[in-house]
Amino acid sequence: QVQLVESGGGLVKPGGSLRLSCAASGFTFSDYYITWIRQAPGKGLEWLAYISSSGSVIYHADSVKGRFTISRDNAKNLLYLQMNSLRAEDTAVYYCARGTGTGYRKYYDHWGQGTLVTVSS
Amino acid sequence: EIVMTQSPATLSVSPGERATLSCRASQSVSSNLAWYQQKPGQAPRLLIYDASTRATGIPARFSGSGSGTEFTLTISSLQSEDFAVYYCQQYHDWPPPFTFGPGTKVDIK
Repeated sequence: QVQLVESGGGLVKPGGSLRLSCAASGFTFSDYYITWIRQAPGKGLEWLAYISSSGSVIYHADSVKGRFTISRDNAKNLLYLQMNSLRAEDTAVYYCARGTGTGYRKYYDHWGQGTLVTVSS
Repeated sequence: EIVMTQSPATLSVSPGERATLSCRASQSVSSNLAWYQQKPGQAPRLLIYDASTRATGIPARFSGSGSGTEFTLTISSLQSEDFAVYYCQQYHDWPPPFTFGPGTKVDIK
């Protein structure tokens, strides 16, 4: 069955860095776009970053552009989110989600369980 | 960026009753709209995509309608497991982001 498992979350000081990983299994990872989506405590869902199946198309939301970088290793079935210059407002549960749909238009049919990132001194 | 709004913020419904949730886009998204259900402590689950197509395994009591800027999710007869938060998401705009609405919480009346 399709599985996405995030890891790498934790407590980090403002200005610090963290790299999240998302391990995929149960499907052909290299065939799918994958997205990072986050949810601050008690808040809604925020779309963060998107990478095409080959990694050739990447897009980041303005709120994280220049600080966060999405990447993938199709040989290892892994997705990454490198997060630099972290701020208190980046505190959230971070989900990876598999995109499906036509062309670049993707909705999310499978989600990981999420990993919590807390930015605090 | 397309802004998504949802109403009401909270909907109080008795089990067995019908629930109607609304989602509006700031500009046309055609039928490129999905609905998700999220229960406390869980990841969101896809319910509806392309505005009206149920995802695999989703019960028939969930239905979606609309196109352009106005969309509706209807739960025909609420079951206890349906009390949750529901989000809409557009995936029409290029470039991204594929924005989410703020959510509607369906709770027990």
